[in-house]
Amino acid sequence: DAGVIQSPRHEVTEMGQEVTLRCKPISGHNSLFWYRQTMMRGLELLIYFNNNVPIDDSGMPEDRFSAKMPNASFSTLKIQPSEPRDSAVYFCASSLLSGNQPQHFGDGTRLSIL
Amino acid sequence: AQSVTQPDIHITVSEGASLELRCNYSYGATPYLFWYVQSPGQGLQLLLKYFSGDTLVQGIKGFEAEFKRSQSSFNLRKPSVHWSDAAEYFCAVGAGQAGTALIFGKGTTLSVSS
Repeated sequence: DAGVIQSPRHEVTEMGQEVTLRCKPISGHNSLFWYRQTMMRGLELLIYFNNNVPIDDSGMPEDRFSAKMPNASFSTLKIQPSEPRDSAVYFCASSLLSGNQPQHFGDGTRLSIL
Repeated sequence: AQSVTQPDIHITVSEGASLELRCNYSYGATPYLFWYVQSPGQGLQLLLKYFSGDTLVQGIKGFEAEFKRSQSSFNLRKPSVHWSDAAEYFCAVGAGQAGTALIFGKGTTLSVSS
């Protein structure tokens, strides 16, 4: 069975550029989560969606960050403009909507902003 | 509010020795508890989960965890550690309500010495 698919796996870009990270959740899952992981701050929840609707975006660090989920099989996390401090590994996870279901993680996108 | 504490940031265990990783949670009702493992360069993989019933749960890769309500703990154990178990381990708690996010601990890094 296909797991959560994230692309690209690695992204290196210059400060000020727009960055778009993509996620395809597991088919049938209706909750989707975006996380950021750094050495300093650990694993942080940025935003999550239920049935394609954003539920909690309180973890989004700044207005430069935005996330969309236009349909049940695709989500994007966009950073515009990017800054060096945005360098991190970004994970997408999905789960069934039921509250006792575990989240399944993708392999992440390693983002480096120069 | 829910919270998860993993008191040990880094643990080193000799190969073949037993392992116990600590996890304490704060939650008013019966929580849903999870342990995840993250190998370098990869996403988080579910090791085991506890919802109800038997307080000793078995997971993949020979891991088990015991839920102790009186101590608000959900410690992860393995009787004999292998070098391939070196990774970062995360404990997480869920409220069980449909469509809510998990709360993750800061993680414990496990090193295995030969």
